[in-house]
Amino acid sequence: SQQGEEDPQALSIQEGENATMNCSYKTSINNLQWYRQNSGRGLVHLILIRSNEREKHSGRLRVTLDTSKKSSSLLITASRAADTASYFCATDQQGAQKLVFGQGTRLTINP
Amino acid sequence: DTGVSQNPRHKITKRGQNVTFRCDPISEHNRLYWYRQTLGQGPEFLTYFQNEAQLEKSRLLSDRFSAERPKGSFSTLEIQRTEQGDSAMYLCASSPTDYGYTFGSGTRLTVV
Repeated sequence: SQQGEEDPQALSIQEGENATMNCSYKTSINNLQWYRQNSGRGLVHLILIRSNEREKHSGRLRVTLDTSKKSSSLLITASRAADTASYFCATDQQGAQKLVFGQGTRLTINP
Repeated sequence: DTGVSQNPRHKITKRGQNVTFRCDPISEHNRLYWYRQTLGQGPEFLTYFQNEAQLEKSRLLSDRFSAERPKGSFSTLEIQRTEQGDSAMYLCASSPTDYGYTFGSGTRLTVV
């Protein structure tokens, strides 16, 4: 079963706007990762945030982590049409040796 | 070797047939994972290797499924007596210790 719950399931915005996706999880984690998947393709690793970190940036991406609420958010600023994809959060759980993925957010950027 | 390679990209098979997929990970990555993904869902964990040792298997991996990683290099995933419910994208990923995964492009299996 999947641990992560992503919200919203689908998001459609205009190019240039910011996109925010949220992820909640249930167990203690070592780190949380975000991945992007274009239709019919493999997943691409975007960013990893460790359990002792609260915020991380990479280019137009900003990730926050609140371990007390067991939640994370991914913000994509100044969105582009090429950002259209599904985005997944994945948790590296303490005591496990695998990532557990959520069901993803389908992001559509309208030109 | 710049990424994870999976072959074949697509496989169509008749129900009851056996299929085998191959994954070539990034050479310096000691961890290798197999996931299965159905349409509209996130990837589900199947199994994990550290070097040649298979350290964890999901309950999703019935006895019709077997995976190997001889010599800690490439890996194969075999499905015996395929069923229509096995139709999915099978994803392989590799990683060094405690870092993000690099995924292959996947093998899309269709069982007819």
